[in-house]
Amino acid sequence: AQRVTQPEKLLSVFKGAPVELKCNYSYSGSPELFWYVQYSRQRLQLLLRHISRESIKGFTADLNKGETSFHLKKPFAQEEDSAMYYCALTPHSGGSNYKLTFGKGTLLTVNP
Amino acid sequence: DAGVTQSPTHLIKTRGQQVTLRCSPKSGHDTVSWYQQALGQGPQFIFQYYEEEERQRGNFPDRFSGHQFPNYSSELNVNALLLGDSALYLCASSLERRGLAYGTQYFGPGTRLTVL
Repeated sequence: AQRVTQPEKLLSVFKGAPVELKCNYSYSGSPELFWYVQYSRQRLQLLLRHISRESIKGFTADLNKGETSFHLKKPFAQEEDSAMYYCALTPHSGGSNYKLTFGKGTLLTVNP
Repeated sequence: DAGVTQSPTHLIKTRGQQVTLRCSPKSGHDTVSWYQQALGQGPQFIFQYYEEEERQRGNFPDRFSGHQFPNYSSELNVNALLLGDSALYLCASSLERRGLAYGTQYFGPGTRLTVL
């Protein structure tokens, strides 16, 4: 069975401070990991996926298979980063679109 | 391209009734997945449709059923509604194709279902 754990329901930081949103997963195979974000009154949207190794809006995430973690980091938080962040996992399927298993989400608030 | 669209936006039903939710995928997408998001929870996978067939199913009872049409749009049907079915229902579309673009699911705004 697949499981994604986001241990922090709420995270509050000040503008300009570093931010780290934690994500741990359990899956017996080799998964693909994602971070999705939902800004206020907007739909859920993809922020980044580990296979593309991109930095989106200053955010990065490294897959640590030893610790089964995929923490999201940004060195200097901005007020516009305030949103709900979801970590998600899908089995590595070699090309098919499989189901996403989501964590419960972390609400990030960046204070001025 | 309006992206993924869902209708209706909100719906109120009573216990025991039946409901149908609709989803139009993003232009060019051929795969539709449905998720249930209860308050304070992350989305939970219900099922996925590809080539008009249910390809995968999550841990949901048979009261939840779906359909995909030749134009790739999809419906989610829930029979014998329970109070616990109250949630935001999300539709996501994606393209079945190998390469880096695969697997990215684009979400609709959701349908808020309230069961009284």
